[in-house]
Amino acid sequence: EAQVTQNPRYLITVTGKKLTVTCSQNMNHEYMSWYRQDPGLGLRQIYYSMNVEVTDKGDVPEGYKVSRKEKRNFPLILESPSPNQTSLYFCASTTRGTGKTEAFFGQGTRLTVV
Amino acid sequence: GESVGLHLPTLSVQEGDNSIINCAYSNSASDYFIWYKQESGKGPQFIIDIRSNMDKRQGQRVTVLLNKTVKHLSLQIAATQPGDSAVYFCAENPPPSNTGKLIFGQGTTLQVKP
Repeated sequence: EAQVTQNPRYLITVTGKKLTVTCSQNMNHEYMSWYRQDPGLGLRQIYYSMNVEVTDKGDVPEGYKVSRKEKRNFPLILESPSPNQTSLYFCASTTRGTGKTEAFFGQGTRLTVV
Repeated sequence: GESVGLHLPTLSVQEGDNSIINCAYSNSASDYFIWYKQESGKGPQFIIDIRSNMDKRQGQRVTVLLNKTVKHLSLQIAATQPGDSAVYFCAENPPPSNTGKLIFGQGTTLQVKP
């Protein structure tokens, strides 16, 4: 079954304590991305990766890092979380090429920074 | 910058009625558009897509209409059911279209009244 798996689903942490949200896909997609979802703002792209070792900033990258050492994994790293990073985060794995671009989303990670 | 926006944050309809959810996009060069449905506690899921060389595409109970002249996209749901209650996002695939990048709108919450 095609899947994007993120962990953890829920996380409460304190300001400044480094954390990592993991994301793994089993569809052999090259393109992966991270979004945050906030009320009234929809989905905003944080970072994306077009292939292994190829990452780039999305629309709201400040305060985040990513890595892409393997095709299937794309972790999101918050080196020093702050309360304004409290949000719902989604990892997506996307087909690409001519004809169709479809994003498959994980279940989401609800992060609270206190 | 480019953006994809929805006209109404919330739409309330009676069960059995037809629903129309609207979206305006700004990049006239985008050639591929997708509608996603996000149920509570889940990630967005693909509903239907349309390419810019079409103005209408039908699925099961859903129809997407594309008006490139005014850069407008709509999702029509026939005989709306309680299970259709969700947040609906439109997304565009801006050029270059083979990158996998998607830009999402802010979302419309569809509420179905029994």
